[in-house]
Amino acid sequence: ETGVTQTPRHLVMGMTNKKSLKCEQHLGHNAMYWYKQSAKKPLELMFVYNFKEQTENNSVPSRFSPECPNSSHLFLHLHTLQPEDSALYLCASSQDRRGMGTGELFFGEGSRLTVL
Amino acid sequence: TQLLEQSPQFLSIQEGENLTVYCNSSSVFSSLQWYRQEPGEGPVLLVTVVTGGEVKKLKRLTFQFGDARKDSSLHITAAQPGDTGLYLCAGDSGGGTSYGKLTFGQGTILTVHP
Repeated sequence: ETGVTQTPRHLVMGMTNKKSLKCEQHLGHNAMYWYKQSAKKPLELMFVYNFKEQTENNSVPSRFSPECPNSSHLFLHLHTLQPEDSALYLCASSQDRRGMGTGELFFGEGSRLTVL
Repeated sequence: TQLLEQSPQFLSIQEGENLTVYCNSSSVFSSLQWYRQEPGEGPVLLVTVVTGGEVKKLKRLTFQFGDARKDSSLHITAAQPGDTGLYLCAGDSGGGTSYGKLTFGQGTILTVHP
């Protein structure tokens, strides 16, 4: 099994649809992240979960709703998205080192989202 | 807001040439990471530099962290087509509750032609 697995790899949805992205990590890490990658823009941190608790919500619109049921799984629920939300959504995990900054991020392959 | 400026944004070279990618900021970082992302994949960590002035080598790749820990460079010697990809630098503020809050540059798309 690969370290961080994301499904689906590709998703096309209308603006009124509800869908979810799933991420699973098999590395025993205690922190998981959602990043948004758009063309010509830096990777944008959306959400951080540490020990299953959300510790960061980077001013993300409420049409994106994260869920972290345990330290191995992370979801991103999508509802009434806009075309400008089309992007590659990357999940990552790391072993949190409290007070010592960010360790290595292990990324999944991403979910390519297209909003029509 | 911390920003990381990466340059150049695009680089297209022939196999065997050398190249350098730069990552600059007005902010100080406790460490800086370099990632490479290939099409259809997520970014993969290449190296982390921590100490000002530090130089790390990974085969044909040489990474340097500026003395003031505000900038970094990646130099590739004798580039190969397998080096093709998106190179990302990411600065870490470090400490406290800032874990996960890496500041990413916008990336450098490198294409190495055979």
